[in-house]
Amino acid sequence: KNEVEQSPQNLTAQEGEFITINCSYSVGISALHWLQQHPGGGIVSLFMLSSGKKKHGRLIATINIQEKHSSLHITASHPRDSAVYICAVSVPKYGNKLVFGAGTILRVKS
Amino acid sequence: KAGVTQTPRYLIKTRGQQVTLSCSPISGHRSVSWYQQTPGQGLQFLFEYFSETQRNKGNFPGRFSGRQFSNSRSEMNVSTLELGDSALYLCASSRGTGLVYEQYFGPGTRLTVT
Repeated sequence: KNEVEQSPQNLTAQEGEFITINCSYSVGISALHWLQQHPGGGIVSLFMLSSGKKKHGRLIATINIQEKHSSLHITASHPRDSAVYICAVSVPKYGNKLVFGAGTILRVKS
Repeated sequence: KAGVTQTPRYLIKTRGQQVTLSCSPISGHRSVSWYQQTPGQGLQFLFEYFSETQRNKGNFPGRFSGRQFSNSRSEMNVSTLELGDSALYLCASSRGTGLVYEQYFGPGTRLTVT
């Protein structure tokens, strides 16, 4: 079983919809990262969090340390949000190296 | 501030050759991490350098090595290339070590081994 699991693997939404991507992990972590990767390969860090909730524009990330679960929400989705969203955790028992989820492929249709 | 830069952006090599990839971090960032991304394995951590010292290493064979210079620029070397080394190699820089700081990624080097 992978230490970081994301769901769903694929997601298609209509423009304007509220989107949720989930990340569950089975190890102790010091931080959780949400990353966005567009076709062509470039990766952008969206959030890094170790507790609570962060908001940036239409993006919201939450984490529940006790439940080992994080969610990334996109409000009022837009076709430009189409990308792969990747969850990664910093794991202290591995010297805080990053362990990645498989990613969620999001397509927003206009 | 200029972002993280990687050179070259694309590279084609033959099995058995070696390759060196370069990464220049954001000014002021002292940590550089390297990652491999393949369709089959996804993103995997290779190693992290901070202040010219390797701080952490992923589960890759010894053919994969790296170093960091005093100006924080980093290079990654892969010797005796195998077909399975074909991948997108990404580096990321951050202010501090331990991968608990926000990571700023470069555009990647796409390596094809034939």
